[in-house]
Amino acid sequence: QVQLQESGPGLVKPSETLSLTCTVSGYSISSGYYWGWIRQPPGKGLEWIGSIYHSGSTYYNPSLKSRVTISVDTSKNQFSLKLSSVTAADTAVYYCARIVTDYYMDVWGKGTTVTVSS
Amino acid sequence: EIVLTQSPGTLSLSPGERATLSCRASQSVSSNYLAWYQQKPGQAPRLLIYGASSRATGIPDRFSGSGSGTDFTLTISRLEPEDFAVYHCQQYGSSPPTFGGGTKVEIK
Repeated sequence: QVQLQESGPGLVKPSETLSLTCTVSGYSISSGYYWGWIRQPPGKGLEWIGSIYHSGSTYYNPSLKSRVTISVDTSKNQFSLKLSSVTAADTAVYYCARIVTDYYMDVWGKGTTVTVSS
Repeated sequence: EIVLTQSPGTLSLSPGERATLSCRASQSVSSNYLAWYQQKPGQAPRLLIYGASSRATGIPDRFSGSGSGTDFTLTISRLEPEDFAVYHCQQYGSSPPTFGGGTKVEIK
């Protein structure tokens, strides 16, 4: 059974970098699929952030591309998100997910809440 | 990017009734690459439908998806108590993937 678990600080100061890690169990990242991040601001809809393949190739949402970096560590079966220069608008629940080649998500983590505040 | 508009915003129904949820795209969704997700409070979204009409593994057959081009529908034939939740549509035919604003199905 594939499971994903997000981890990282729940509070980040404005202008700093948000860093989250997703640990995958029950499946080897190196075996295939894309892996990615989606977020949901309070009371709002879902927003695609970006994705990565085990080879390291990435795709980012153009609206966030200048601030986003997604990386993968196949030895730890983890992938990570960095979002720089955060503001209050980046406050959201952040989900990691397994992404089918066509770019829909078939397995999700439980999500982690990140608040941007001084 | 493709904008998805879901309607209604809230649907108030009783258990056993039929639910019909709409997702309209601002332009045609390539290859009918449209998915539906169910989300309960405090939980992650759960994949229900992909490719507009294919049920994901383990999804009951009371859930069905239909549509093409710019108009898509999720139908729940007979609402069970566990079906009251928020439903999101997502298109993945054009980059970037985008989501609708969600439809809440609540108990009447």
